[in-house]
Amino acid sequence: KAGVTQTPRYLIKTRGQQVTLSCSPISGHRSVSWYQQTPGQGLQFLFEYFSETQRNKGNFPGRFSGRQFSNSRSEMNVSTLELGDSALYLCASSLEYWGSPLHFGNGTRLTVT
Amino acid sequence: AQSVTQLDSQVPVFEEAPVELRCNYSSSVSVYLFWYVQYPNQGLQLLLKYLSGSTLVKGINGFEAEFNKSQTSFHLRKPSVHISDTAEYFCAVSETQPQGGSEKLVFGKGTKLTVNP
Repeated sequence: KAGVTQTPRYLIKTRGQQVTLSCSPISGHRSVSWYQQTPGQGLQFLFEYFSETQRNKGNFPGRFSGRQFSNSRSEMNVSTLELGDSALYLCASSLEYWGSPLHFGNGTRLTVT
Repeated sequence: AQSVTQLDSQVPVFEEAPVELRCNYSSSVSVYLFWYVQYPNQGLQLLLKYLSGSTLVKGINGFEAEFNKSQTSFHLRKPSVHISDTAEYFCAVSETQPQGGSEKLVFGKGTKLTVNP
């Protein structure tokens, strides 16, 4: 079974631009979560989608948004990029029972200059 | 709200030595507990999980962890480490009955394990 696939692996953007990151979950997984990883803040929860609905959201500004499609694939968008948005963005998918572990992709490394 | 504290940010050890990576959590409700490992330029990989039952949990690559409810701890151990165990390790917690029907995994800041020859 294929794992979680994130594209692209690397992105370089300038301040003020916007960016869209893509995530394809493991087949059969309907829950998709996004995390931001930085050296200073560690892993921070962005949001979680299930059956095309956002079920949970972390403490990030409205510039961070996401969506999920009917095939469970997900995208996240960051508008008006700031230098502080430079991070590794990780997508994870899981089954829908409580305690189901997250399966992570290799992430998208975003650099904002 | 839950929180996770990993007491050591860096742990250097020699090959074939035992290692313990410490994790304490705080939560007002019952929790599930996880350990993940992250190798350079990769995502996180599940090492082991505690959902219920036996408090001693065995995972992949020879790792094990013990859930101690009274001390709210979930320390990770390995009796003999290899060079290939060099990586960053994350402890994580989620509520067993989250409000709103959505689980959120809360991670510790991570412990960088360096195994030296």
